[in-house]
Amino acid sequence: DAGVIQSPRHEVTEMGQEVTLRCKPISGHNSLFWYRQTMMRGLELLIYFNNNVPIDDSGMPEDRFSAKMPNASFSTLKIQPSEPRDSAVYFCASSLRLNEQFFGPGTRLTVL
Amino acid sequence: GESVGLHLPTLSVQEGDNSIINCAYSNSASDYFIWYKQESGKGPQFIIDIRSNMDKRQGQRVTVLLNKTVKHLSLQIAATQPGDSAVYFCAEGVGADGLTFGKGTHLIIQP
Repeated sequence: DAGVIQSPRHEVTEMGQEVTLRCKPISGHNSLFWYRQTMMRGLELLIYFNNNVPIDDSGMPEDRFSAKMPNASFSTLKIQPSEPRDSAVYFCASSLRLNEQFFGPGTRLTVL
Repeated sequence: GESVGLHLPTLSVQEGDNSIINCAYSNSASDYFIWYKQESGKGPQFIIDIRSNMDKRQGQRVTVLLNKTVKHLSLQIAATQPGDSAVYFCAEGVGADGLTFGKGTHLIIQP
């Protein structure tokens, strides 16, 4: 199994631009999670899906952030417009069992 | 105002010694706990988990202890190796919800 796949691995963009991060969960997993990691705040849950349905998006910072999961094998996290304070590493994780989440390699986002 | 980065506690141990990493959790309703290892430039990697109805669980070279009375979790790594150098996070979960992560501990293995 290839594990959780995220793309791009690195993204550098300018303030105001739209950014789309992508995730392919492990095949057969029914839950998908988006996390953000910064030096200031550590690892934070942004949103998670169960069976492609968003369950809890209370961690999404503001309306500039949106996430979709159109099918069981793909999810996107979009930031529009992006701001420098959005710079972070964004992780996607998937799980089948409640107490075991597998993380992807992350996307390092830099907003100038 | 001045920005302050996240200062991770650091644990430095000699190669071959045992390591104990501690974590205090906040939610008494959490029903499982997980330890993750994160190496530089990589995503968190699952190490071991424990359910709230247990107080000890052992894996390969690792043992997790749970003390619900004081909401404390520890990870013991036996005979540490250079490859154990990483940041270790504890995480707590409730049902199918996302995880709440601790701040992390940086483990450094001295040769």
